[in-house]
Amino acid sequence: EDQVTQSPEALRLQEGESSSLNCSYTVSGLRGLFWYRQDPGKGPEFLFTLYSAGEEKEKERLKATLTKKESFLHITAPKPEDSATYLCAVQEFTGFQKLVFGTGTRLLVSP
Amino acid sequence: KAGVTQTPRYLIKTRGQQVTLSCSPISGHRSVSWYQQTPGQGLQFLFEYFSETQRNKGNFPGRFSGRQFSNSRSEMNVSTLELGDSALYLCASSLGQNSGANVLTFGAGSRLTVL
Repeated sequence: EDQVTQSPEALRLQEGESSSLNCSYTVSGLRGLFWYRQDPGKGPEFLFTLYSAGEEKEKERLKATLTKKESFLHITAPKPEDSATYLCAVQEFTGFQKLVFGTGTRLLVSP
Repeated sequence: KAGVTQTPRYLIKTRGQQVTLSCSPISGHRSVSWYQQTPGQGLQFLFEYFSETQRNKGNFPGRFSGRQFSNSRSEMNVSTLELGDSALYLCASSLGQNSGANVLTFGAGSRLTVL
C-alpha cells in the first residue's frame, strides 16, 4: 500500500532562515509526486509535480527535488507569507487520479 | 477561469441525519475526486468519478456515496451521520487523463460539523 511520511510535523523559522521539508514515500509505480500548500480554512493549492528521480522544480523561494525514495521542499530566505501547511502526495499509475497524502508540515515564519 | 466551487461551505447536522455536498469542477475537467480532511488522519481519499462513472474508491463505509452528472458536476452524500464524520470535505477536479500525472485543483471545502 502506498505510504507518504512527512517531517518535521511542525517547523518554526525566522524570516530569512532557510530550511528543508522532507517527504518519504513508498509506491508501487510512481506516476507523480505532488507538493501542495494549504492555508487555514482553504483547500490545498498546487505548487509542483515531480515525475522522476533527479528532477527539480523551482518557484520563487521554493525548490522541490525528487529521489527514488523521498522528496525535499527547500525554502530559501522565507517570508512570513510562506507560513502554511505544506502537503506532499503521490499518485501511482494504477490509481487513476487518486492522491495519497502525507499529514503535512506546518510552517511558521516569524518576522 | 473559475475554480472548483463547493457548496455549502459550512453546515451543522446532528447524528443520524444525512448530508449532501455539491462540487462544480473547472470547465473542461471530467474527473472529480473527493477527500475527507481531519486533524488526526489528514487528507483521505473517498472516491473519484470520471464521465459519470466511479473509477476508484477509498476505504470508507458504504454510508459515503457519490455521483457525477453529465455536466461533470458531482455530489457526495453521507447517510446516518456519526460524530466522527465531522471534517472538511474537499473536492478536486482534473482533466482525468491517464497518460500523465494530472494536476488536481481543489475547492475551498465544505466544513461539516456533526453534533
